Amino acid sequence: SQQGEEDPQALSIQEGENATMNCSYKTSINNLQWYRQNSGRGLVHLILIRSNEREKHSGRLRVTLDTSKKSSSLLITASRAADTASYFCATAGHSNDYKLSFGAGTTVTVRA
Amino acid sequence: ETGVTQSPTHLIKTRGQQVTLRCSSQSGHNTVSWYQQALGQGPQFIFQYYREEENGRGNFPPRFSGLQFPNYSSELNVNALELDDSALYLCASSLAGVSRVETQYFGPGTRLLVL
Repeated sequence: SQQGEEDPQALSIQEGENATMNCSYKTSINNLQWYRQNSGRGLVHLILIRSNEREKHSGRLRVTLDTSKKSSSLLITASRAADTASYFCATAGHSNDYKLSFGAGTTVTVRA
Repeated sequence: ETGVTQSPTHLIKTRGQQVTLRCSSQSGHNTVSWYQQALGQGPQFIFQYYREEENGRGNFPPRFSGLQFPNYSSELNVNALELDDSALYLCASSLAGVSRVETQYFGPGTRLLVL
């Protein structure tokens, strides 16, 4: 079973707009990570946020984490056509457990 | 580029056959994890190897087995292939221990089709 659930399943936006996707999970975590996948290829790591952090930024990416609600959001600002991809959240349990539990992903299409 | 390589890139097998997939970890990484990703789904954890020993397993039957070698490269073996084994198989390397790196670096995957 999948730990994370992304919402929405699919998102279509115009170039330059912001894209926001959410992730909810079920059990306590050590950290939460966001990955991008282009056209069924390998996953690219975007950002990691630890359970004691509330917000993190990396370039045009902003991630928030609310452990009380067991949820996270990923915001991509000023989207570009190259941001078209599937985005997955993945949770890691205790600090010695490197297993990642993925959600089903959000497919983002950025229209030129 | 993550430095993680996988071979082959594509593979077609028939039901009942056996398959071996290979992964070369990023330099300096001592942990490798394997994931199965069915079409339209997120990756599912199969198992993880740390210093050549299995260090956790997901909900996969024993016909899924693995090896990690002293150079930290790895193999995933699947026996008695079933149609539902058709998927993208991803390996990911990371660094465990005192200088651990929690980010996992994924290879490009092997797409397996079982007919």
